[in-house]
Amino acid sequence: AQKITQTQPGMFVQEKEAVTLDCTYDTSDQSYGLFWYKQPSSGEMIFLIYQGSYDEQNATEGRYSLNFQKARKSANLVISASQLGDSAMYFCAMRGMNSGGSNYKLTFGKGTLLTVNP
Amino acid sequence: GAVVSQHPSWVICKSGTSVKIECRSLDFQATTMFWYRQFPKQSLMLMATSNEGSKATYEQGVEKDKFLINHASLTLSTLTVTSAHPEDSSFYICSEPGQGTDTQYFGPGTRLTVL
Repeated sequence: AQKITQTQPGMFVQEKEAVTLDCTYDTSDQSYGLFWYKQPSSGEMIFLIYQGSYDEQNATEGRYSLNFQKARKSANLVISASQLGDSAMYFCAMRGMNSGGSNYKLTFGKGTLLTVNP
Repeated sequence: GAVVSQHPSWVICKSGTSVKIECRSLDFQATTMFWYRQFPKQSLMLMATSNEGSKATYEQGVEKDKFLINHASLTLSTLTVTSAHPEDSSFYICSEPGQGTDTQYFGPGTRLTVL
């Protein structure tokens, strides 16, 4: 079974500052993928960044970077230079690759509501 | 542009009626699609895996006779909420895995309100 834990129900950050959203995971799979999604009030799920378990370098996508620490089973999202439009719900998710086949369904954490203050 | 569409984006229905939600893959022939449900201020919970040409796989606790899934073509999966009740009011989102292991595209979601 896979489990994603996001311990911060809500976070506040000042505009233009950086913020880190925490995510820890648990899985027995040897190969897996970690995703971060942004969900604004409209409800759409916006893909932000992906990290594969065998990727040696931390993933980066523009202002988003993923601080992947495999031994600690953590995959924190770092948003640099926060903008007012970054205010939204952020979900960490995992997809495992079970032995004998692939499993593309995602397991989500409970999410973190980020508020960017002007 | 969008790679997954959903219709309708919102629906209000009376208790006891059935509601069909469509999920279309716009750029990929998806043999597998996923249906999630999200209650207010909660996370996404997987309901079922829709398999083209075969029966859907339901997660534990999801009533297969209540949430009918049909995946008749490689680009269309439908979720029918039968005999809907107020407790079925939720945000329903579909997704497709895409072509790579590093992708997962979501539809814009359908907000269902049962009166």
